[in-house]
Amino acid sequence: DTAVSQTPKYLVTQMGNDKSIKCEQNLGHDTMYWYKQDSKKFLKIMFSYNNKELIINETVPNRFSPKSPDKAHLNLHINSLELGDSAVYFCASRSEGSNYGYTFGSGTRLTVV
Amino acid sequence: KQEVTQIPAALSVPEGENLVLNCSFTDSAIYNLQWFRQDPGKGLTSLLLIQSSQREQTSGRLNASLDKSSGRSTLYIAASQPGDSATYLCASRSNTGKLIFGQGTTLQVKP
Repeated sequence: DTAVSQTPKYLVTQMGNDKSIKCEQNLGHDTMYWYKQDSKKFLKIMFSYNNKELIINETVPNRFSPKSPDKAHLNLHINSLELGDSAVYFCASRSEGSNYGYTFGSGTRLTVV
Repeated sequence: KQEVTQIPAALSVPEGENLVLNCSFTDSAIYNLQWFRQDPGKGLTSLLLIQSSQREQTSGRLNASLDKSSGRSTLYIAASQPGDSATYLCASRSNTGKLIFGQGTTLQVKP
């Protein structure tokens, strides 16, 4: 199936831990994104990578570090997790310069206890 | 700074009704506008994409319009069905590729 896939789907962890969320797209898209959906269901962009290069970095704590080993993958590593990091994190991709829109993954629900 | 607002926040209609969801944006310099559907606990499914040069797009029972001058987009759903129950999100895309989302409209279609 052509898609944007994220793992894990659910992640429960204690405060202070370090965790990673992985994202892969097989759509051949150039640009990948991480979005955060908070408890009020509001979606906000965090990062964007184009061909392994960071192009958008919103005001996100530096505990969050994206890594793009190649243009099909964009992983999100979070250090020293805090209660406020609990949210659903969505990965998305888009073909640069195309008239097509975004394709989103199914999300990773992170719960910090 | 672009702000996207969706009204109403929640809507409940009986099955079979036609309905309109509203989306407004403050900066008319958008690249395109995309409507998504989100089911509870699920990801986002793209419904319709309207380029800045277009006025509307249609897919089945869905029709989305775009009026850049007034900063508005609408999503029209014809002959609503219980399966249409979900949260509908609109998002404007800037020239830098950033999507700015509205808060969403949660739709319930009662059988």
